[in-house]
Amino acid sequence: GQNIDQPTEMTATEGAIVQINCTYQTSGFNGLFWYQQHAGEAPTFLSYNVLDGLEEKGRFSSFLSRSKGYSYLLLKELQMKDSASYLCAVSPLSGNTPLVFGKGTRLSVIA
Amino acid sequence: DAEITQSPRHKITETGRQVTLACHQTWNHNNMFWYRQDLGHGLRLIHYSYGVHDTNKGEVSDGYSVSRSNTEDLPLTLESAASSQTSVYFCASSEEGQGAFETQYFGPGTRLLVL
Repeated sequence: GQNIDQPTEMTATEGAIVQINCTYQTSGFNGLFWYQQHAGEAPTFLSYNVLDGLEEKGRFSSFLSRSKGYSYLLLKELQMKDSASYLCAVSPLSGNTPLVFGKGTRLSVIA
Repeated sequence: DAEITQSPRHKITETGRQVTLACHQTWNHNNMFWYRQDLGHGLRLIHYSYGVHDTNKGEVSDGYSVSRSNTEDLPLTLESAASSQTSVYFCASSEEGQGAFETQYFGPGTRLLVL
């Protein structure tokens, strides 16, 4: 079976750092994606990890540990506009199997 | 610029009616997907296609159908709309291939209300 777990909600303060965790149990593994979704809008791609380690993109970084089935998204210097849902998605290692999405973490950034 | 569009953006219908939601992409992507998104459930896959004339069922396919007659379009049909199908529907597309090629790009969504 496929299972992805993320916290449902998080709150953080403007200017701070927040880490959103994602754990997965899938039939295989071919990469992990993070998406951002603002309320009332479509998900947009943030990052992709397939090897262990940290990928940095400006204020956002994503980490992967394949042996632990674990990833996190790190947001630095939080801004109000970062208030959104963050979706973790895994590509199972098999031909023609779609991405499996977690239910998302709703992040609220407060002043 | 290449893009993915959905129409209509908002739709109100009555139970029992047939409804078709359109999805059109200009990236020439082989893969297309339909999801519904409801509070507490996240994105749930309805149907997907890996090329012309290819269609596959997702986890919540009952009551929905798709057909793929060209690369650009994957319309989603609700055979007989039910109130349980009130939701936000997202279409997405991706290139052919594994790994990073599986990055999905989403349309703006269609809000469907079934009365």
